[in-house]
Amino acid sequence: NAGVMQNPRHLVRRRGQEARLRCSPMKGHSHVYWYRQLPEEGLKFMVYLQKENIIDESGMPKERFSAEFPKEGPSILRIQQVVRGDSAAYFCASSGAYRGRPFQTEAFFGQGTRLTVV
Amino acid sequence: RKEVEQDPGPFNVPEGATVAFNCTYSNSASQSFFWYRQDCRKEPKLLMSVYSSGNEDGRFTAQLNRASQYISLLIRDSKLSDSATYLCVVITFNTGGFKTIFGAGTRLFVKA
Repeated sequence: NAGVMQNPRHLVRRRGQEARLRCSPMKGHSHVYWYRQLPEEGLKFMVYLQKENIIDESGMPKERFSAEFPKEGPSILRIQQVVRGDSAAYFCASSGAYRGRPFQTEAFFGQGTRLTVV
Repeated sequence: RKEVEQDPGPFNVPEGATVAFNCTYSNSASQSFFWYRQDCRKEPKLLMSVYSSGNEDGRFTAQLNRASQYISLLIRDSKLSDSATYLCVVITFNTGGFKTIFGAGTRLFVKA
């Protein structure tokens, strides 16, 4: 059972380009969380998705950022027209249902994508 | 008020010291509680779950106080390798369903 897979691990983009970050949750997990971490700072929540639905996007910047978690395939975090301030580590975490009951398991993290905007 | 709050630290302690972190949560309907550890430039990893009855794993003890809505992590006999950021995590229930909420983390530096 593979863990949470994020790719690419490192991504370099020029200002104004688009960045696409992918996250494949653990098998059986239907909840995905995206976090951003600037150097020397803590995790900052961005968005929480379940299959085909955005549940909470209160941490997402209003412009240029979007996220999706389609029925098939990985979750995608898209950043359009990147700026230097977008340079950060972006972590994805997934969790699932607890033994078929209406509770969630603990979250498991991917290794992150380190975005550098030059 | 933030849903999950932690003292960001940093805590600077000598080897062998005992150090304790607290974390408060605002939603009384919170269901599950965990401590995670994050090493520099790595992803957070689960350290231990937290139960009302307390949970001990070697030098680490985690406790939950539902009445006061806080959880704690105690590290005894600190080692240099304990230096990391410790994240408090709460799974809580709201109108949108269950959600995992991470605290911003407490940084610990253990010095020789």
